[in-house]
Amino acid sequence: DTGVSQDPRHKITKRGQNVTFRCDPISEHNRLYWYRQTLGQGPEFLTYFQNEAQLEKSRLLSDRFSAERPKGSFSTLEIQRTEQGDSAMYLCASSLDVGDTSYEQYFGPGTRLTVT
Amino acid sequence: LAKTTQPISMDSYEGQEVNITCSHNNIATNDYITWYQQFPSQGPRFIIQGYKTKVTNEVASLFIPADRKSSTLSLPRVSLSDTAVYYCLVGPFYNTDKLIFGTGTRLQVFP
Repeated sequence: DTGVSQDPRHKITKRGQNVTFRCDPISEHNRLYWYRQTLGQGPEFLTYFQNEAQLEKSRLLSDRFSAERPKGSFSTLEIQRTEQGDSAMYLCASSLDVGDTSYEQYFGPGTRLTVT
Repeated sequence: LAKTTQPISMDSYEGQEVNITCSHNNIATNDYITWYQQFPSQGPRFIIQGYKTKVTNEVASLFIPADRKSSTLSLPRVSLSDTAVYYCLVGPFYNTDKLIFGTGTRLQVFP
């Protein structure tokens, strides 16, 4: 297993355009998380899934943001009508949660979004 | 989740031991203390987690006093490759719903 992968690694887009990012978690992990990180700050939680169910969404996730995890495997994060303030690193993480046993989150390399 | 306070930055030289202290005065009884490491242009990586006293693994040691209001991450004999940002997090075991990061401590190791 090569770990959590994200695609693309870098994305430059013009303000107002829509963008979509993909995350492939570690194969046996049932939880998937999205975070956003701006320069000089720690990652901020956006949302997470247990299998295909989206269990929590941060207030940071405005109506322009939507995340999906069809079939409980890979996930996509779409940003509509991008704004310059959306420029950030978008990180995906996954973990295994089985009954009373939980394990650490493994992060992907991130997708760096630049909105011009 | 409990708020944490840690130094913004630290400098060290290769071969030295580095200790990064984190304050978490409002830690709850069921909270664990977890440290993550992040290199530039990479996602954070789990280093170590503990509840009380001392935990040691192949990468670091974590010291937690009896009152658990602070903790110290100890990196033995650092190398240039340990230059990174280190985050202290406090929350339930492995924080399986979400992680709340502060601004972290930026460690710079010099030759």
